[in-house]
This record gives sequence, structure tokens and C-alpha cells, in this order.
Amino acid sequence: DAGVIQSPRHEVTEMGQEVTLRCKPISGHDYLFWYRQTMMRGLELLIYFNNNVPIDDSGMPEDRFSAKMPNASFSTLKIQPSEPRDSAVYFCASSRGGVKFFGPGTRLTVL
Amino acid sequence: QKEVEQNSGPLSVPEGAIASLNCTYSDRGSQSFFWYRQYSGKSPELIMFIYSNGDKEDGRFTAQLNKASQYVSLLIRDSQPSDSATYLCAASRSNSGYSTLTFGKGTMLLVSP
Repeated sequence: DAGVIQSPRHEVTEMGQEVTLRCKPISGHDYLFWYRQTMMRGLELLIYFNNNVPIDDSGMPEDRFSAKMPNASFSTLKIQPSEPRDSAVYFCASSRGGVKFFGPGTRLTVL
Repeated sequence: QKEVEQNSGPLSVPEGAIASLNCTYSDRGSQSFFWYRQYSGKSPELIMFIYSNGDKEDGRFTAQLNKASQYVSLLIRDSQPSDSATYLCAASRSNSGYSTLTFGKGTMLLVSP
């Protein structure tokens, strides 16, 4: 299996622009998670899905953030409009059971 | 608020020594605990997990759990320069199957040749 796939790997954008991050979970995994990692706050859970249904989005920082999972093999995290404080590494992870496998991450820089 | 605390380090040990990484957690409802290793610029990768009080060994790694003290540790025997990374401790309220993880900010380990 190819593991969790994320795209793009790097994204540089200007404040106010829309950013869309993409994730393909491991086949057969029924949970999908979006995390954000910064030096100051560490790894934070933003939202997670079970069988494509959002279960808990309490970690989503603001209404500017939204996530979807239209099918079992694809999810998006969108930031609109983006702000410099959104700069971070965004990880997608998937699991079947308790062990989570992380994707390579998307490094987002908002200028 | 659920918190997982780790010393940020760096923890410096010479090659061949035992590295001891520690973690405390505030949520008494936490049932299982995970150690992830994260190399610079890479994603976290699972090293091992532990559910029961006591020790759990896997190769050069030993995880220790003391639920009464709300304390988890990871011992790395015969440390190698390739072990140099940030180690993340995470806690879950689930004893099996699924639950969200609360991560600590990680401890940086440096193993010198």
C-alpha cells in the first residue's frame, strides 16, 4: 500500500487567498484525521471523519476552515481566506482501529 | 483540558547509552498511550503503544506506564545516531479500537557518535 497520500507537499500563498489541501487515506481505513503542527502548539487535531461522516470538528480554529470527505478515498481541507497565522504543516492521518498512520504533510506558508 | 506534557529537550546521549524519554498526562480517563518518532521535516511514525501498567518491550524500545502516577516513559537501549529525532507521546481514552489522540509537543533526542 502506498500509505496516506497528501498534496500538495508545499504551498505558498498570499494572505486572503483560498487554499485547498488534499488527502487520500490508506485503502480500507475507516477513520480520517486532519492535524496541524506548529512549533508553538505542537500537533493539534482539527477534525476527524468516520466512514466519510464528520464526527468532531471542535478543533477547527475558525469558520475560515472547512473539511469534506466526499468518499472513502478522498478528503479536502480548505482555508478561505487564508491568513499568515495559518502557516503550519498540515497532516492527514488514517486508521482502522487505534493506530494512526500519517501522511507526509503539506507545509503551508501564507505570506 | 486534556494535556500531555513532555520536556522539549534536547536530550543528549552518547551512542550506545540508554535514552529515557518521559511524559505525563492530565486526563485520568486516558487508557492507552502511544510513542511516535518524528524526524525533522517528516511525518510522525508509530514506534509502539501501551495499554497496561508495567513495561512493554519491542526490540531496543521499552515503554513504561504507571497510571497511578499518570506517567509514561520510553527507554531506548543502545542508542544510535539514527535515533536522533523528536519523540511524541500521545494519550487516548480508548483501550482498544478507536479514539482521538492528544499529543505532547515532543522531546528532541540527540545521539552523538
